[in-house]
Amino acid sequence: ETGVTQTPRHLVMGMTNKKSLKCEQHLGHNAMYWYKQSAKKPLELMFVYSLEERVENNSVPSRFSPECPNSSHLFLHLHTLQPEDSALYLCASSQDPDLGYTFGSGTRLTVV
Amino acid sequence: AQSVTQPDIHITVSEGASLELRCNYSYGATPYLFWYVQSPGQGLQLLLKYFSGDTLVQGIKGFEAEFKRSQSSFNLRKPSVHWSDAAEYFCAVGARNNDMRFGAGTRLTVKP
Repeated sequence: ETGVTQTPRHLVMGMTNKKSLKCEQHLGHNAMYWYKQSAKKPLELMFVYSLEERVENNSVPSRFSPECPNSSHLFLHLHTLQPEDSALYLCASSQDPDLGYTFGSGTRLTVV
Repeated sequence: AQSVTQPDIHITVSEGASLELRCNYSYGATPYLFWYVQSPGQGLQLLLKYFSGDTLVQGIKGFEAEFKRSQSSFNLRKPSVHWSDAAEYFCAVGARNNDMRFGAGTRLTVKP
């Protein structure tokens, strides 16, 4: 256990479903991140929240909608996804970029 | 913006042999450099980091890395590989703006 908990670990959803991924950290970190990890591709930064405000959105499609209600929780709301959205979604947190990130174990998402 | 290249997609070494994983970065200022390891089905774990000072940094699990500014490199090394080191290794370069870029990863296989 790294201190960053992601649920669920696995998710299978249809293209018309709506689901949410959850990330929780109690490390006292003030920044949280969503990354997408697809096979044979570098990790893609999706969203960055610093002090609960979104500071970066790397041109992510609107079918992905993040929410950061407080500094300990981060959600990724999913709707009308495509099969190419199937990937491992990783959450991370940090207190200071100098110190690196702490990652969760990820949610393996399969869109059918 | 910063970028990272890991030239080797897959490396195989024998148990007990030495290991060097290559990483080259591109960044206009002094970078923050990291190595992470990812075991199957898991998130990324920080092995070591560099942002100033001694260019040879020690990490967990017996790993070390050397920052060479003249070569824009930050190669990861281990003198004697164990079977449990088999995993995917990611080099990353960070900046103060919470924008960490990852390489595509190098998959390490350890032969008995």
